Amino acid sequence: NAGVTQTPKFRILKIGQSMTLQCTQDMNHNYMYWYRQDPGMGLKLIYYSVGAGITDKGEVPNGYNVSRSTTEDFPLRLELAAPSQTSVYFCASSYGTAGRMNTEAFFGQGTRLTVV
Amino acid sequence: DAKTTQPPSMDCAEGRAANLPCNHSTISGNEYVYWYRQIHSQGPQYIIHGLKNNETNEMASLIITEDRKSSTLILPHATLRDTAVYYCIVRPEGYGNKLVFGAGTILRVKS
Repeated sequence: NAGVTQTPKFRILKIGQSMTLQCTQDMNHNYMYWYRQDPGMGLKLIYYSVGAGITDKGEVPNGYNVSRSTTEDFPLRLELAAPSQTSVYFCASSYGTAGRMNTEAFFGQGTRLTVV
Repeated sequence: DAKTTQPPSMDCAEGRAANLPCNHSTISGNEYVYWYRQIHSQGPQYIIHGLKNNETNEMASLIITEDRKSSTLILPHATLRDTAVYYCIVRPEGYGNKLVFGAGTILRVKS
């Protein structure tokens, strides 16, 4: 059971370049999340999704786009990379439904992105 | 969602119990308390959760006050590998809500 898988693990981008961070989960979770974590800081929610076709902004969505066409995949797109987007990006998934407690979230190992 | 307040850092001697407090004075009746930790630069790891009763698992115990306005995570015999950032999160049951992390508490376990 792979859990949450993120690719790539490391990437260096030049200012203005674009890239997509991939995230896939095999637990049939409806919730998926993207976070960023700057050095020495806590996790900030970028976007989240409660199911295929449904996404919503988190705390720091500017400069990013997401899509959720399948239950398994939740890619994060950076269109015009800026040095301020240098960070570690974590993807996570969990399950939640009406009237029930949300299950624990499982996290990927992160993508370390440097924009130069 | 209810906000949480945690001390920025704590120290604990190896082998002793680590007691990490969390205040959530605005918690609602349908909000659960979750604890996660993040070791160095790894992805966060779930520890335990509770609604109003005390909970225990193989990793830790969670004590929630009767008025539910605060809780304590207890690591009964802390080891050096428990050095991490510990996050207390409150989140309602149901559908459509976010999972937001605060600043957490840096726990340093010292030999």
